[in-house]
Amino acid sequence: AQSVTQPDIHITVSEGASLELRCNYSYGATPYLFWYVQSPGQGLQLLLKYFSGDTLVQGIKGFEAEFKRSQSSFNLRKPSVHWSDAAEYFCAVGQGAQKLVFGQGTRLTINP
Amino acid sequence: EAGVAQSPRYKIIEKRQSVAFWCNPISGHATLYWYQQILGQGPKLLIQFQNNGVVDDSQLPKDRFSAERLKGVDSTLKIQPAKLEDSAVYLCASSLRRVQETQYFGPGTRLLVL
Repeated sequence: AQSVTQPDIHITVSEGASLELRCNYSYGATPYLFWYVQSPGQGLQLLLKYFSGDTLVQGIKGFEAEFKRSQSSFNLRKPSVHWSDAAEYFCAVGQGAQKLVFGQGTRLTINP
Repeated sequence: EAGVAQSPRYKIIEKRQSVAFWCNPISGHATLYWYQQILGQGPKLLIQFQNNGVVDDSQLPKDRFSAERLKGVDSTLKIQPAKLEDSAVYLCASSLRRVQETQYFGPGTRLLVL
């Protein structure tokens, strides 16, 4: 069965430090991949997406993600986090016309 | 452009009562989705509409949940009767046409069933 795994439920980093959030998936062919962010009491906002082409994609708010087919991963990175980045981050994966499947999310806390 | 609108934002009901949620997607978006997000989990698709036709309702508990999208625009999701385990945030999203495209989410309705 298709699945999406975000191994880290909660991550704490210091403001200004670098960040990497992990996402692994199990799909037969090349999927399309998204990262969304959810602030408390808000809906989900798209950070970036990968459909095809360059495996390093740039998103909003200084985020980037790299699609690694050999590792079935789509990790999200940011070189220097800001206090406003504290939120819940969701990886979502789809294939063909099938529905998106979301990971369980990673909660990011920023230490001042 | 205006985003996806949802109402109400919060709802508290007792078990066995009924409740309805409303969603107005982004203008021109043909595809509308309802998700259930239980605390500590990612969103789970309940139902997907393409215009006013159902594309996927495989995870909708049809004995108690129903949804409609009249005229291919607004949509309502109803629960009757509600159970304790229905406590969750119900998110509505829309996309231009296909599921492969970016989905734009509303703020959600937080439901608490007592």
